[in-house]
This record gives sequence, C-alpha cells and structure tokens, in this order.
Amino acid sequence: GIQVEQSPPDLILQEGANSTLRCNFSDSVNNLQWFHQNPWGQLINLFYIPSGTKQNGRLSATTVATERYSLLYISSSQTTDSGVYFCAVWAGKSTFGDGTTLTVKP
Amino acid sequence: EAGVAQSPRYKIIEKRQSVAFWCNPISGHATLYWYQQILGQGPKLLIQFQNNGVVDDSQLPKDRFSAERLKGVDSTLKIQPAKLEDSAVYLCASSLDRLADTGELFFGEGSRLTVL
Repeated sequence: GIQVEQSPPDLILQEGANSTLRCNFSDSVNNLQWFHQNPWGQLINLFYIPSGTKQNGRLSATTVATERYSLLYISSSQTTDSGVYFCAVWAGKSTFGDGTTLTVKP
Repeated sequence: EAGVAQSPRYKIIEKRQSVAFWCNPISGHATLYWYQQILGQGPKLLIQFQNNGVVDDSQLPKDRFSAERLKGVDSTLKIQPAKLEDSAVYLCASSLDRLADTGELFFGEGSRLTVL
C-alpha cells in the first residue's frame, strides 16, 4: 500500500515563529487533506488540497502531486496551534501519516 | 449544519466484554468511515461504507469486530470480545462525495475505549 511520511515528528516553537511541516507519499493520490488534532482528540479539517496552493489566515498549504509531497505552512504561530498535524492521502483507500506534534510555547 | 455525531465519548470495559459505538454522519453524506487511532499513531481505516454497502473492510479484524450501516445513514461498530490491544480512540468520519476517493472528510469527536 501507499506509504505516508511526515516530518519532522516533533517541533517546538516560540510563539510568533513560522514553521513548515512536510508530507511525502509514495505513489499517486486522488485526494490529500491536512488535519489538526486538538488536545481533546478531535480532528479538525485544515485543507482539502489534492494539488495546488491554498491559504486560510495564518495557514497555507501546497501540494505538488507530480513530486509526491505536500507542505503545510504556519506563520506567526500561537499557543492554540499546538497539537498534532496529520496529512492523509487517498489512493483507493485512505492512509494517514503518523503526524507532526507541534508545541508552541508562550 | 450539524457535524458527525458519535457516542459514547468514553467507555471502560474489562477484556472479553463487548462494546458498541454509534455514529451519525453529516446529513446527505454518502460515505462513512470508521477509524481506529492508537495513542501516538495516525488513524487507521477499519471499514468504509458507501451508502449501506461495504467498500473496504480489509483491515477490520473480523473475528471480533463488526460494523453495519442500516438504511445508509447511521452506523454501529461492535467489538466482541474486547482485547487489551483494542484500547484506542474510534473515529467516525463522513464524506459527501459518492466517488468516496475524492471527497473531503469530516470527523466526529471520537469514542475513547479503555480495555482493562
């Protein structure tokens, strides 16, 4: 099956810093989503982005499907951005990466 | 618009007991998914329904897990008998897109199971 690798596994930032999270996948995909899992465990949709670039406030994402990767950018990070960020891809069925755990310190 | 509803939020049982989780997807969503998330890992797909038919259950441990989606709306996931390794969060998600592979996924809050 398709492999999904996220990096870095852990990231610690000071409030106000910027960060880039990466998702690599091993084969062509039909769909890609980024999620934020909050401290209560709920997965919150960030972006549905099988290709191209999207922005939503301080967050943006880019997927280069031909090169099999996606990037999530977080600018001016806030403590509420803390949590685990997952990317998930669909190629017949869904596969999640193991996530990047982000800690933003005040 | 109401989101994906799941219950119960928390459940603690002894090993070899049974448990059932319920999910009501977003109204009109054709595709429903059950995922298992073990602490420290990403969600793993257990079963995917398209309306009330099973699309993929290749990772469902069928000797102890079962799921149904009657009338193509809400769904129940059952574990019987439970093992210690079943301790996890069970996440339900739904998608509008009938092609299943291309629709945006929306998750419920999850049901956290602890097996003692």
